Amino acid sequence: SQTIHQWPATLVQPVGSPLSLECTVEGTSNPNLYWYRQAAGRGLQLLFYSVGIGQISSEVPQNLSASRPQDRQFILSSKKLLLSDSGFYLCAWSHSSYTGELFFGEGSRLTVL
Amino acid sequence: SQQGEEDPQALSIQEGENATMNCSYKTSINNLQWYRQNSGRGLVHLILIRSNEREKHSGRLRVTLDTSKKSSSLLITASRAADTASYFCATDAPNDYKLSFGAGTTVTVRA
Repeated sequence: SQTIHQWPATLVQPVGSPLSLECTVEGTSNPNLYWYRQAAGRGLQLLFYSVGIGQISSEVPQNLSASRPQDRQFILSSKKLLLSDSGFYLCAWSHSSYTGELFFGEGSRLTVL
Repeated sequence: SQQGEEDPQALSIQEGENATMNCSYKTSINNLQWYRQNSGRGLVHLILIRSNEREKHSGRLRVTLDTSKKSSSLLITASRAADTASYFCATDAPNDYKLSFGAGTTVTVRA
């Protein structure tokens, strides 16, 4: 069966510090991968998605970047965090054939102080 | 950008009652899905309805879709305390890999 791992679960970082959130998927090949951000009490905003290694599409211009160094690894990064980067970050995957359903990780809560 | 909007924003019901929430969207869709999120957790897929379907059932869940009105409803029958969560609708456009989510409906089921 397929599983998705996302870490760290919780992160408190000062403004201006770097960020790296990591997500890996097991049990499937060539998944589509996604990073979403959820502000408190709000819906999900799609940040990045990837349909293959090295292929990243950015949905919202911002202080963040994403990379996919391996087939089942998706990394969200920032060189210098802003206060507005605080939020709940969710990684998700879908089958390469895209049946529609997304499978989500447990999320990473980022607080920038 | 958010495609769907759920209504109501929050719902409080007694255990055993039914919970109904609605979702409206703006552009043509391929599928509409409903997800559930327990507080502080990831989202879990509940049910998917295709644009050419009008109603779908899964256990205590019933989803309807009216593409002429660009709206969907999710009904949870015989609610339980464990149904307490936020519920989100999500849509994807034809030939698209991306899901757009609404802001969600927070459901509280009182024991």
